[in-house]
Amino acid sequence: DTEVTQTPKHLVMGMTNKKSLKCEQHMGHRAMYWYKQKAKKPPELMFVYSYEKLSINESVPSRFSPECPNSSLLNLHLHALQPEDSALYLCASSPSPTDYGYTFGSGTRLTVV
Amino acid sequence: DQQVKQNSPSLSVQEGRISILNCDYTNSMFDYFLWYKKYPAEGPTFLISISSIKDKNEDGRFTVFLNKSAKHLSLHIVPSQPGDSAVYFCAASVVYGGSQGNLIFGKGTKLSVKP
Repeated sequence: DTEVTQTPKHLVMGMTNKKSLKCEQHMGHRAMYWYKQKAKKPPELMFVYSYEKLSINESVPSRFSPECPNSSLLNLHLHALQPEDSALYLCASSPSPTDYGYTFGSGTRLTVV
Repeated sequence: DQQVKQNSPSLSVQEGRISILNCDYTNSMFDYFLWYKKYPAEGPTFLISISSIKDKNEDGRFTVFLNKSAKHLSLHIVPSQPGDSAVYFCAASVVYGGSQGNLIFGKGTKLSVKP
């Protein structure tokens, strides 16, 4: 298995909803990442998990809450989002935190209404 | 302040010819550079990388050139194929020197290879 699987592929949620994005990999990678990408912009790093511990939080608002239950799984819990949070959310993994040859998932297209 | 710049939003090339995608960076601490390719509805795919101790790295049809003095790198695709049509992201980071930094992406260049 050489993939990073993200679910759902599309999500529409209201500003009062609570939802979660899921990311899974079975490559034995020990670093996992959440990126946010707006249209015609580069991917922007949100969070880094290194050996299941949160190592980087790029000043992301608390309405985004990451979770790494185990080495294969990464979640992003969403609550009280704003319309400007609508974007493509990309998960990536790498063998270690110092290996930048990331494997990216296909992303979750999030629309906040 | 954009540390990694891809000044050409798009590039159109004829099949069989060379595609040259350019990337400039401002942070002299960057010592590791990568190119990613992204098709619509898919995540970016790692393509090729180069560390600052080299000035060239080749992998099949793809070659990355690094000019440290100019803070410039380029990706050459020879020969270009229609399947190469995608958005190409340049990315950079500090890996070997000092404390490790995050991977910083450019805005991307959309390459269209016409049959």
